[in-house]
Amino acid sequence: ETGVTQTPRHLVMGMTNKKSLKCEQHLGHNAMYWYKQSAKKPLELMFVYSLEERVENNSVPSRFSPECPNSSHLFLHLHTLQPEDSALYLCASSQDHDNNEQFFGPGTRLTVL
Amino acid sequence: TQLLEQSPQFLSIQEGENLTVYCNSSSVFSSLQWYRQEPGEGPVLLVTVVTGGEVKKLKRLTFQFGDARKDSSLHITAAQPGDTGLYLCAGARGYSTLTFGKGTMLLVSP
Repeated sequence: ETGVTQTPRHLVMGMTNKKSLKCEQHLGHNAMYWYKQSAKKPLELMFVYSLEERVENNSVPSRFSPECPNSSHLFLHLHTLQPEDSALYLCASSQDHDNNEQFFGPGTRLTVL
Repeated sequence: TQLLEQSPQFLSIQEGENLTVYCNSSSVFSSLQWYRQEPGEGPVLLVTVVTGGEVKKLKRLTFQFGDARKDSSLHITAAQPGDTGLYLCAGARGYSTLTFGKGTMLLVSP
């Protein structure tokens, strides 16, 4: 138990669906992250939020839309996804954006049909 | 171009054996971290090394940061089935976000 929870743990969706991934951290951290983990690839950083403001967006397609309503919650809204978007989506948090020790949630295994 | 190369990609050993996995780069990092990820879970931070030449021990795990802060190794003594998992290294430059390697998948059989 790392103090970071993610729901749902598994998600299967069609290419025309709209769904959202949720992340919550109970650690009092100020920074939150979304990563994509695909087979045989390094973790890919997607978005970084610090104190609810987006500080980094690594050229992620617009079909992925993040939302950070407060420092404890982070969402990833999904729409019109492609099969190649199937992956494990990991949320992480750290005390601050310049603190590199990150605590990860268990991930959401996403399958796009 | 992958900044952090991990080797081997996959390692299958018997319980009780010793092993070393490597994390190499041509870039200098201000710190380097090792994570272990078990199937169906997210990565869990094992250690952070900051100083060139630094050695840290965590029970049967020994982590070393290269003198030039470009590489690191993880040595496991007397591996156990509970050590099975994906070992990820991640490097940081200053206050920038982490760069991850692809990982070494370790399988320890009873």
